[in-house]
Amino acid sequence: KQEVTQIPAALSVPEGENLVLNCSFTDSAIYNLQWFRQDPGKGLTSLLLIQSSQREQTSGRLNASLDKSSGRSTLYIAASQPGDSATYLCAVHGSGNTGKLIFGQGTTLQVKP
Amino acid sequence: NAGVTQTPKFQVLKTGQSMTLQCAQDMNHEYMSWYRQDPGMGLRLIHYSVGAGITDQGEVPNGYNVSRSTTEDFPLRLLSAAPSQTSVYFCATSRGTKSTGELFFGEGSRLTVL
Repeated sequence: KQEVTQIPAALSVPEGENLVLNCSFTDSAIYNLQWFRQDPGKGLTSLLLIQSSQREQTSGRLNASLDKSSGRSTLYIAASQPGDSATYLCAVHGSGNTGKLIFGQGTTLQVKP
Repeated sequence: NAGVTQTPKFQVLKTGQSMTLQCAQDMNHEYMSWYRQDPGMGLRLIHYSVGAGITDQGEVPNGYNVSRSTTEDFPLRLLSAAPSQTSVYFCATSRGTKSTGELFFGEGSRLTVL
């Protein structure tokens, strides 16, 4: 059974720091992996989608990498800003006809001015 | 484009009452789904649909009913509300007939069952 873990559960950094959020999964047979952002009281917003054949995706100050063999993905945020404060979730989609999307529990990031 | 619209945003029910959470999308997405989000449990799939007239169960379907009569709408019905159904409910859609594409979420419906 696929399990998705995000460590740490919470992170606080000063503005301007580069930071890395971690996501690990137990079954390397995945179709793709998505990173989402969730602001308090709001829905999830898709940030990056990495297909299983890809190693990384970039969008602005965000870079997500995928290492299927080790069951790990990282989300790199460059030059963090207070507006980046949110909960970041990763979700792994299993391969095959019965593949399901399994979410991690998220890392809550606070960027202090 | 409104994207994915969920109503109501907040609802309080008494045990045993029934209600429907509405989800509407204007992106012409085939795939629609309902998740619940609970502290310590993350997001869990309740039901999903790959097109009008087609629905299937997710991870936690008990106590919920869905139908998909149009591409745009995917209502979630609570048949007899229980306190264990207190949660935040999210509707999510994706282009195509699978959940493997980019997911678009509504803003959520917060339900409290007393």
